[in-house]
Amino acid sequence: GAVVSQHPSWVICKSGTSVKIECRSLDFQATTMFWYRQFPKQSLMLMATSNEGSKATYEQGVEKDKFLINHASLTLSTLTVTSAHPEDSSFYICSAPTGVSSGNTIYFGEGSWLTVV
Amino acid sequence: AQTVTQSQPEMSVQEAETVTLSCTYDTSESNYYLFWYKQPPSRQMILVIRQEAYKQQNATENRFSVNFQKAAKSFSLKISDSQLGDTAMYFCAFMTLSGNTGKLIFGQGTTLQVKP
Repeated sequence: GAVVSQHPSWVICKSGTSVKIECRSLDFQATTMFWYRQFPKQSLMLMATSNEGSKATYEQGVEKDKFLINHASLTLSTLTVTSAHPEDSSFYICSAPTGVSSGNTIYFGEGSWLTVV
Repeated sequence: AQTVTQSQPEMSVQEAETVTLSCTYDTSESNYYLFWYKQPPSRQMILVIRQEAYKQQNATENRFSVNFQKAAKSFSLKISDSQLGDTAMYFCAFMTLSGNTGKLIFGQGTTLQVKP
């Protein structure tokens, strides 16, 4: 079964509103999680590293005020797309590593389709 | 900075035949992992195979095997006895083992179609 759960799978929101996507590790604690964005027929682009108990680390070109990341516990990271616009429509997917002591396995969530209308 | 390059945007293969997907990467790191992921239309990321850079032996998983050439920074995936269910997008990915592990750098992807 899934060890990283992402919710919601699909979300439609109106332009100008905010939407939150959750990424939850079910069987292990993840001090770090990662958020990726994927446009159709393109690769996964890392947006940011979510760090439990501290600020997220954003990749160059990613607006930190638009894509708010919160890692409030060892099993939950959230991505909030603020003041969404149609160009934010995309597939968002998170991942969580189990860590060196657990074999450095990377688990991905199921992904979330965001459509901004 | 690390980069991963997949130079084949699309490939096709007949069912039961063998196909090889190419991947090259660039890094100054000595300790890292390389991955091949499969992404079917559902968009779920499925790990196909993982190679630890310190291992000389090429990784294999059933019909999937890699040709890891560390000096050449090449990491190709061979799929034997291709099946219709192998139709998907395939991504090569790099992960350093120093510092912030878990961060994956992906190649552009190769769309593979297996034809009956």
